[in-house]
Amino acid sequence: GENVEQHPSTLSVQEGDSAVIKCTYSDSASNYFPWYKQELGKRPQLIIDIRSNVGEKKDQRIAVTLNKTAKHFSLHITETQPEDSAVYFCAASSMDSNYQLIWGAGTKLIIKP
Amino acid sequence: EAQVTQNPRYLITVTGKKLTVTCSQNMNHEYMSWYRQDPGLGLRQIYYSMNVEVTDKGDVPEGYKVSRKEKRNFPLILESPSPNQTSLYFCASSLSPDPTEAFFGQGTRLTVV
Repeated sequence: GENVEQHPSTLSVQEGDSAVIKCTYSDSASNYFPWYKQELGKRPQLIIDIRSNVGEKKDQRIAVTLNKTAKHFSLHITETQPEDSAVYFCAASSMDSNYQLIWGAGTKLIIKP
Repeated sequence: EAQVTQNPRYLITVTGKKLTVTCSQNMNHEYMSWYRQDPGLGLRQIYYSMNVEVTDKGDVPEGYKVSRKEKRNFPLILESPSPNQTSLYFCASSLSPDPTEAFFGQGTRLTVV
C-alpha cells in the first residue's frame, strides 16, 4: 500500500524567510496530493492541493510542486509570517485505493520573530 | 453554515465501557471518514464510507465500528475501549470519493483509563 514520508518533522525559520516541507510517496498510482494546516488545538484545514497532471500550483505565498518521476512533492511558503506557525500535513491518494488519503506524519513549522 | 459536527469534544471513560462518538455533516457529502491523530504518527484512517450503507476499513480499524444509515451521520463506536485507544479523533467529510477537500470536525479528545 501507499506510504508517505514527510520531512522535516520540525522546521524553524526567521519571519520573512521561506519554508520548504517535502514529502515522498511510494505508490506511483497516486494522483492527488493535498496539504493541510493544523493550528494548535484546531482541526486540519486544506491550504492547497495538486493533481498529478500538474507540476506546480501557486496561491499567493503558498506553492506546491510535484515531481512524479521521483515521487515527491513539496510545499513552499514564502515571506513567512507568525500566523504560518502550525503543523503541516501532506497526503496522497489514488483511485486504486478508493481515494483513501494516506498522510505524512506532519511538520511543525515555527516562525521566529 | 457548512460544517462537520462531532460530539463530545472531550471524553474520559473507563476500560470496557462502550461509547459512541457522533459525527454529522450538513453539506450533503457522500464520503465520510474517521481518523485518529497521535503524536508523531500523523492522521491514520480508522474507517471510511463512500455512501449510505457502504463502509470499509481504513488502516487502523481494530477495536472500532461504524455505521452509515443516513448520509449526514457517521458515528464511531468503541464497543470495549482500551487505554491504547486514547487519542484525538477527527471525523471528516468530502463531496465525493474522487478526492476533493476534506472538511474536518472539531475533534474529540478521548482518554481511556
